[in-house]
Amino acid sequence: EAGVTQFPSHSVIEKGQTVTLRCDPISGHDNLYWYRRVMGKEIKFLLHFVKESKQDESGMPNNRFLAERTGGTYSTLKVQPAELEDSGVYFCASSLGPGQGDRRLFFGSGTQLSVL
Amino acid sequence: GQNIDQPTEMTATEGAIVQINCTYQTSGFNGLFWYQQHAGEAPTFLSYNVLDGLEEKGRFSSFLSRSKGYSYLLLKELQMKDSASYLCAVTRYNTDKLIFGTGTRLQVFP
Repeated sequence: EAGVTQFPSHSVIEKGQTVTLRCDPISGHDNLYWYRRVMGKEIKFLLHFVKESKQDESGMPNNRFLAERTGGTYSTLKVQPAELEDSGVYFCASSLGPGQGDRRLFFGSGTQLSVL
Repeated sequence: GQNIDQPTEMTATEGAIVQINCTYQTSGFNGLFWYQQHAGEAPTFLSYNVLDGLEEKGRFSSFLSRSKGYSYLLLKELQMKDSASYLCAVTRYNTDKLIFGTGTRLQVFP
């Protein structure tokens, strides 16, 4: 069974440009999460989808970040325009959820975003 | 608010036992996870504790005391491949999101 996959693995862009990150969750997982780790800090929650609906987007830093999950399958996270402080590793995770008796989150390897 | 503390770095010798502690202060606590993360890779699930006590899984065990806001991850018979970061994360009622500590970087030496 394929795990959570993220693309690209690395992205280097200039300040003011746009970047779109993609996450493909494990098949059958309704729950999809985005997290971010800024250098030297802890992994922080960004938002949570249940199928195609945003369940919780309390961690989104500002309106330069837009997450979508059309059709309830893969998700994209767009940063427009990117700022220097957006640099970090963006992780995606998916889960069956407590409703299915399994609260484990399965993570992707992350996208390393560098804004210059 | 939430506060999760764990040591930044630890070292140990191959074959030894190491205990990584995690203390937390969070309202509505509803369980604690431990994840392992090798450099450049995805965090992988190790354990989940919601009730007080010890959960053993092979060489790894995890303990939780809800009254003390304390957990530890115990790694036995250390191997070189156990060199990684170990992440403590808590969940709260009515939400599935994880709140992470900064992680403990463990280095195992021969």
